[in-house]
Amino acid sequence: DSGVTQTPKHLITATGQRVTLRCSPRSGDLSVYWYQQSLDQGLQFLIQYYNGEERAKGNILERFSAQQFPDLHSELNLSSLELGDSALYFCASSVVPGGGNYGYTFGSGTRLTVV
Amino acid sequence: AQTVTQSQPEMSVQEAETVTLSCTYDTSESNYYLFWYKQPPSRQMILVIRQEAYKQQNATENRFSVNFQKAAKSFSLKISDSQLGDTAMYFCAFMKHNAGNMLTFGGGTRLMVKP
Repeated sequence: DSGVTQTPKHLITATGQRVTLRCSPRSGDLSVYWYQQSLDQGLQFLIQYYNGEERAKGNILERFSAQQFPDLHSELNLSSLELGDSALYFCASSVVPGGGNYGYTFGSGTRLTVV
Repeated sequence: AQTVTQSQPEMSVQEAETVTLSCTYDTSESNYYLFWYKQPPSRQMILVIRQEAYKQQNATENRFSVNFQKAAKSFSLKISDSQLGDTAMYFCAFMKHNAGNMLTFGGGTRLMVKP
């Protein structure tokens, strides 16, 4: 157990629907990152939050949004889902922005399948 | 923008032997971090080893070591005494120093350790 908790582990939904993925960072970590791992594009950075505020944004679609709550857990909202959104979504956390010398600690991911 | 290239999509090695995974990267930064992550069938992203670009000494973690060639922008991973549990996808990743908040991943190398 890495200490980063992601729920649910698996999610199957239909096109056009909206889902919410949840992440609880490791205790003491203030920064949360979201990554998407799809078969044809590898791991892609989506967005980062630090202590409740958006810190950096990657190739995140406008249909996707995220937030970090006062208790530091984060949610990634995916709407108007398309078949191409099927992927493994990872959350990671670190004590400081950027992970510094220590890299990140990853959760075990949420497997999203859009049918 | 940084790019990370892993030129070996798949590799195999006999148990107890040594294998080297290649990684090259492109950046204009002078200070940065490099990482190798392991993703076994469980999908968990596990940090294997990290290297700070300003350190000339190659990082070592038990059976895992790197050959960091800064001028050549090369960062290979050597696994000694390969074990069946080393079977996994291996990702090389780059992070800028200080301002870095995003990991840029290579496409991965699938390693199979054969008994």
